[in-house]
Amino acid sequence: KNQVEQSPQSLIILEGKNCTLQCNYTVSPFSNLRWYKQDTGRGPVSLTIMTFSENTKSNGRYTATLDADTKQSSLHITASQLSDSASYICVVSANNAGNMLTFGGGTRLMVKP
Amino acid sequence: EPEVTQTPSHQVTQMGQEVILRCVPISNHLYFYWYRQILGQKVEFLVSFYNNEISEKSEIFDDQFSVERPDGSNFTLKIRSTKLEDSAMYFCASNTGTGAFGYTFGSGTRLTVV
Repeated sequence: KNQVEQSPQSLIILEGKNCTLQCNYTVSPFSNLRWYKQDTGRGPVSLTIMTFSENTKSNGRYTATLDADTKQSSLHITASQLSDSASYICVVSANNAGNMLTFGGGTRLMVKP
Repeated sequence: EPEVTQTPSHQVTQMGQEVILRCVPISNHLYFYWYRQILGQKVEFLVSFYNNEISEKSEIFDDQFSVERPDGSNFTLKIRSTKLEDSAMYFCASNTGTGAFGYTFGSGTRLTVV
């Protein structure tokens, strides 16, 4: 069964600090891995998308890494801002007819002043 | 920037009633999806739709659920006889194609079954 596991479940950091969120997956056949930001009661918004051959990708203060051999990914947030408070969800896309996404449970990040 | 639009944003219905959740995907997208998120839980895949038929569905998507693309712009999810456990956020998404990067989610419909 396809699964995506994330850690930690929740994290509190001070504004301006960095943090790293972790993701492990067992999804086959693998197509791509995405990190989404989800504000409470809103739809997920894409931050980064990586294919099998990519091992790092940046989007502003967000940097994602992918190790396809160990099936692990991380999302690093630099110089956090209050607006970064949200759930960060690791999502893996299977390379099948429906291209469905398997979602992790997310890491709930709170940035405090 | 193109958006996936969902209506209504919140719907309350009585147990046993039928509900239809509506979505307008991005116009040049070819794949359409419904996902749901029960409060406090992961987002779960329900169904994907391509070329006017279901291409994949999860075990959640039983006979109580159906999807339809009644015209060139709308994509609907119908729940025939709602149960309390159907209460969740329902997200519509659309994509340009298999493996493509254009996966875009709507803001969701919060369904509350009472």
